[in-house]
Amino acid sequence: DGGITQSPKYLFRKEGQNVTLSCEQNLNHDAMYWYRQDPGQGLRLIYYSQIVNDFQKGDIAEGYSVSREKKESFPLTVTSAQKNPTAFYLCASRTKLRNQPQHFGDGTRLSIL
Amino acid sequence: AQTVTQSQPEMSVQEAETVTLSCTYDTSESDYYLFWYKQPPSRQMILVIRQEAYKQQNATENRFSVNFQKAAKSFSLKISDSQLGDAAMYFCAYRSARSEKLVFGKGTKLTVNP
Repeated sequence: DGGITQSPKYLFRKEGQNVTLSCEQNLNHDAMYWYRQDPGQGLRLIYYSQIVNDFQKGDIAEGYSVSREKKESFPLTVTSAQKNPTAFYLCASRTKLRNQPQHFGDGTRLSIL
Repeated sequence: AQTVTQSQPEMSVQEAETVTLSCTYDTSESDYYLFWYKQPPSRQMILVIRQEAYKQQNATENRFSVNFQKAAKSFSLKISDSQLGDAAMYFCAYRSARSEKLVFGKGTKLTVNP
């Protein structure tokens, strides 16, 4: 089945540790996105990528890093510089066609130990 | 900067009744897209319906329809014949045709009472 797969579903981070969230899509979508969701809030854009080997900062990029080495994959690293990483993280993708919506994965819940 | 406002943090509806969720947005653009996403307790974001700003006709998808008022910058979602499975958080979202950024409102929690 075509879709967006995020792993793991739950992730725990120790103080000072970097962790990486995986996002893989087999929809042949060009653009991929990472969002953060906090309780009672809408989604906020962390990073996005429109093409392989290129990505742009969103509204809350500090403390996060990404890579886009393959079209299918857009991993997000939450670094130790992100002081409040506890949140729900959603990955999305869409085709280049201008009127197409973003489709989302099932999310990863990150918590601090 | 574009903003999206959902003024109803929570709404409730009786099963089989109709409910309307409100959304307003602020933009100086003329070409943009609007979306309603549903987030059930499983937390997956599911696209419910979308509207292209240049289309005057309101979008419909089965029991879901929108009232798009471009001059008023309003984009409300109407759910007809509400079902228990409609219970979820509903998010309104905006994207300029010139941008990849999807701007979300803070959501409305919909409860469906049997």
